[in-house]
Amino acid sequence: DAGVIQSPRHEVTEMGQEVTLRCKPISGHNSLFWYRQTMMRGLELLIYFNNNVPIDDSGMPEDRFSAKMPNASFSTLKIQPSEPRDSAVYFCASSLGLGNTEAFFGQGTRLTVV
Amino acid sequence: GENVEQHPSTLSVQEGDSAVIKCTYSDSASNYFPWYKQELGKGPQLIIDIRSNVGEKKDQRIAVTLNKTAKHFSLHITETQPEDSAVYFCAARGGGGGNKLTFGTGTQLKVEL
Repeated sequence: DAGVIQSPRHEVTEMGQEVTLRCKPISGHNSLFWYRQTMMRGLELLIYFNNNVPIDDSGMPEDRFSAKMPNASFSTLKIQPSEPRDSAVYFCASSLGLGNTEAFFGQGTRLTVV
Repeated sequence: GENVEQHPSTLSVQEGDSAVIKCTYSDSASNYFPWYKQELGKGPQLIIDIRSNVGEKKDQRIAVTLNKTAKHFSLHITETQPEDSAVYFCAARGGGGGNKLTFGTGTQLKVEL
């Protein structure tokens, strides 16, 4: 398996524009996580899904952020409208399921909002 | 919710020496404690984990200890090598059957020749 695949790797956009980040989890994994990493706040969990259903979205910072998982092999994180303070590295991770199982991270998407 | 504190934020050691990174957590129901290594430009990668029914676990040069009473756990790297240089994160998963990992703030480890 190629691991968790995220796209794009880098995104530069202007303030106010819509940004969509994409993630393909490892085949057979039932849980998917979106994290945001910044120098100031470290790694923050934004939202996670189990069997395509959002379980905990308490980490989503504002209504400008939304995430979907239409099927077991694809998820998106959307920011609309984007702001400069959204600049960060966004990671997607997947694991076999709820419980004490290893989470595998993708390479991340570095988002810069100017 | 869970709160994880990690120290030190930076650590510099000579090649061959040992490195120790310490974390504390707040939720006594937490039952799973993984450690991740993150190299520049990459996502975090699990290097070792420990569950609440175990006090110590070792994998070659890496070991983790857990003290549930004191709610702290530590990562020990022996015989450090330059390729160990990276950012290390501890994490804790709370009880209650959820799957939410709370991460520490990270330790930048530099192994000098």
